[in-house]
Amino acid sequence: DQQVKQNSPSLSVQEGRISILNCDYTNSMFDYFLWYKKYPAEGPTFLISISSIKDKNEDGRFTVFLNKSAKHLSLHIVPSQPGDSAVYFCAAMTSGNTGKLIFGQGTTLQVKP
Amino acid sequence: EAQVTQNPRYLITVTGKKLTVTCSQNMNHEYMSWYRQDPGLGLRQIYYSMNVEVTDKGDVPEGYKVSRKEKRNFPLILESPSPNQTSLYFCASSYGPRLRDTGELFFGEGSRLTVL
Repeated sequence: DQQVKQNSPSLSVQEGRISILNCDYTNSMFDYFLWYKKYPAEGPTFLISISSIKDKNEDGRFTVFLNKSAKHLSLHIVPSQPGDSAVYFCAAMTSGNTGKLIFGQGTTLQVKP
Repeated sequence: EAQVTQNPRYLITVTGKKLTVTCSQNMNHEYMSWYRQDPGLGLRQIYYSMNVEVTDKGDVPEGYKVSRKEKRNFPLILESPSPNQTSLYFCASSYGPRLRDTGELFFGEGSRLTVL
């Protein structure tokens, strides 16, 4: 049972446009969310996070939005660059468990020049 | 250079032949964890450790063992590998000991394991 779902396996956007990657979760106990980026033949790297006490967090070109009522979060990349082409994973954890981090299936983003 | 080092990076083995994938970090991190990545399933947590001698199961611990005798090392042991353990494995660490203190994991480059 996938508690964190990324329903779009892939996304293609033009350079300079906005990329929106979506993530849904089912566990209402999740209260901290993260996004990781992964290039081929490398390990994932941390991108941005958000706590459930917020609904938005920005870091440069990357913004994460959290809609708790819909159990939905999204990552916006503006403007998209070819170097952003990678697999993006969202992940979630609960307040009660300090060691488990649940990842989604990942979305492959391709940014075309 | 701060890093998480996994070995071997690639391994082909046969069913039932015990193997160990080593993981070492040089960042003095308290928290370490193992994940496997499979197509369509994303990253699934196998085991994690919040400190020396403290380990706990993730979502898919069956068929795996771990140990944390020293802070820097967290080996993953497959006592009797089976073909369904063919996967890409990642070790990760964090300042911890509570992962949510920062939430940021530092990953190794991955170990691709094939069990025939």
